[in-house]
Amino acid sequence: EIVLTQSPGTLSLSPGERATLSCRASQSISSNYLAWYQQKPGQAPRLLIYGASSRATGIPDRFSGSGSGTDFTLTVSGLEPEDFAVYYCQQYGSSPFTFGPGTKVDIK
Amino acid sequence: QVLLVQSGAEVKEPGASVKISCKASGFTFTSYFIHWVRQAPGQGLEWMGIIDPSGGSTSYAQKFQDRVTMTRDTSTSTVYMELRGLRSDDTAVYYCARVYYGGNFPVGYWGQGTLVIVSS
Repeated sequence: EIVLTQSPGTLSLSPGERATLSCRASQSISSNYLAWYQQKPGQAPRLLIYGASSRATGIPDRFSGSGSGTDFTLTVSGLEPEDFAVYYCQQYGSSPFTFGPGTKVDIK
Repeated sequence: QVLLVQSGAEVKEPGASVKISCKASGFTFTSYFIHWVRQAPGQGLEWMGIIDPSGGSTSYAQKFQDRVTMTRDTSTSTVYMELRGLRSDDTAVYYCARVYYGGNFPVGYWGQGTLVIVSS
């Protein structure tokens, strides 16, 4: 089973600042099958990024994903008020399709 | 549009079973895998398993292997997830979710979630 570790656990930033979230895998993720989700309280998660760097439909271009192998990054370049939420990474290259524990981005 | 509508909240006693339904519409039911993911209160997301609605084949997380069964009914475009031997730590919101595109893609469409409370 691939274990995903996300850091930091919490990121306290102000609107307009850049957020950099990390996701590290215990072994290489095949074909960079790594996704990022955003979740707000009381809502289902929303797919942001798939294939490590492809944005899902309708996702603003301030969200970008990068990385390969075992190290991946989600960057939000200029936080908007609606971006304060919890972010999860997930690998879907090999079953079980594990999630990371999440990074909470809150308002400083 | 893609829509996944789940059955309503459940309250179960320890040791009981729960069966949650997820009715799909807005797409060809047999063309997209469906995942089940759960989230305990205040906790992260936990992947439970996947079903191929076309042939009904499944793959489960090891943790749930002995207690979970995922099935589908192609006549009603509905998938089901049954969890047996419920414990208090099974209290969670359970989501069904469809893959974003056909093939090897993550989930991109989610049901509204079903809250299951396990309590005596």
